[in-house]
Amino acid sequence: GAGVSQSPSNKVTEKGKDVELRCDPISGHTALYWYRQSLGQGLEFLIYFQGNSAPDKSGLPSDRFSAERTGGSVSTLTIQRTQQEDSAVYLCASSLIPDEQFFGPGTRLTVL
Amino acid sequence: SQQGEEDPQALSIQEGENATMNCSYKTSINNLQWYRQNSGRGLVHLILIRSNEREKHSGRLRVTLDTSKKSSSLLITASRAADTASYFCATGTNSGYALNFGKGTSLLVTP
Repeated sequence: GAGVSQSPSNKVTEKGKDVELRCDPISGHTALYWYRQSLGQGLEFLIYFQGNSAPDKSGLPSDRFSAERTGGSVSTLTIQRTQQEDSAVYLCASSLIPDEQFFGPGTRLTVL
Repeated sequence: SQQGEEDPQALSIQEGENATMNCSYKTSINNLQWYRQNSGRGLVHLILIRSNEREKHSGRLRVTLDTSKKSSSLLITASRAADTASYFCATGTNSGYALNFGKGTSLLVTP
């Protein structure tokens, strides 16, 4: 596609529910990244994929967070039993080479 | 963890003036990048400077890097109202692909 797309753009959920966030990277980009941005903060790295494998999961904040990538393309970030502190904008990026990452518009998650 | 730290946190200037934002970081880097974010959503890559470079230009943007001081600056010349946004520095290292972002500088350019 023309750019990185993410869905949904906004998600409101109740505490304790599971959510799935989707990222469609730029076609041909082998690397995919998930970041989280809390209100007024910088970006916090969550996980990185090279192809379908995730060599770096160091940023996942807890075992409630998981992510997968299939076919070297679409990625899904799943948050189980959501908590209010999970409220943030979740940003996905992709790259062909490590230097420049192209970001999607993000998913704004609100946990009530 | 966040490595970069931007200064100032907020900057307000008038159109036509220059805007300077600074970034400091803590560990060795492979490159340093600046991104712009409008309305708290997607980020746009502005410019990348490698650790062996000292200065780089792109249009109205000028970036400097001082690895001995572990600092970088972003200068936007002849600012426009459309430059109003948050600006983040991000560092890349040899040990991984993840970028470490600072908390950003919020720039307001008034007509």
